[in-house]
Amino acid sequence: EIVMTQSPATLSVSPGERGTLSCRASQSVSTNLAWYQQKPGQAPRLLIYGASTRATGIPARFSGSGSGTEFTLTISSLRSEDFAVYYCQQYNNWPKTFGQGTKVEIK
Amino acid sequence: EVQVLESGGGLVQPGGSLRLSCAASGFTFSDYAMSWVRQAPGKGLEWVSGIDGSGGDTHYADSVKGRFTISRDSSKNTLYLLMNTLRAEDTAVYYCAKNPYPYCGGWFDSWGQGTLVTVSS
Repeated sequence: EIVMTQSPATLSVSPGERGTLSCRASQSVSTNLAWYQQKPGQAPRLLIYGASTRATGIPARFSGSGSGTEFTLTISSLRSEDFAVYYCQQYNNWPKTFGQGTKVEIK
Repeated sequence: EVQVLESGGGLVQPGGSLRLSCAASGFTFSDYAMSWVRQAPGKGLEWVSGIDGSGGDTHYADSVKGRFTISRDSSKNTLYLLMNTLRAEDTAVYYCAKNPYPYCGGWFDSWGQGTLVTVSS
């Protein structure tokens, strides 16, 4: 099973600042990686797939990069609605696995 | 608009059974694989099972293999998860999620709001 490790566990950022979230895979997943956002009491929402392709309706301030084992989600200028938990997920191998999440909180 | 709506959760005793349903609308159901993903209270996401668009290919997490069965009924646009021999560690919100392709690979592009399953005596 591929283990996905996200860092940091919590990211404290002020509104308007850039937020950078990391995801590392225990073995290569090529670019078969997705990012999701989850707010309290809500279902996850797809942000990015293919490591760098934004899903429909996702603002341009969200960008993804990386390949192989190292991936990054960048939020260029955080807005109040972006404070949430973010998960990465690999779909290169079975079983599909998620990272443990990064909580983005208001500094 | 793509919509998936789960139902069937509730309180069940250890060793018991439960069947979850997921009603889909806004897309051609048989053209897409579907999956179940769960989230234990206060924890992260765990993929549970997936089924292709035809219903002929299924996949399971090791933690549920042999106990859970995924199926679909395209005439009713509904996905199911039959859960047997339930354990306390199966307690979670269960989400129904749509895949982007007819086959089971890929990410999850639409999610339901989830249904809570609590396994406790």
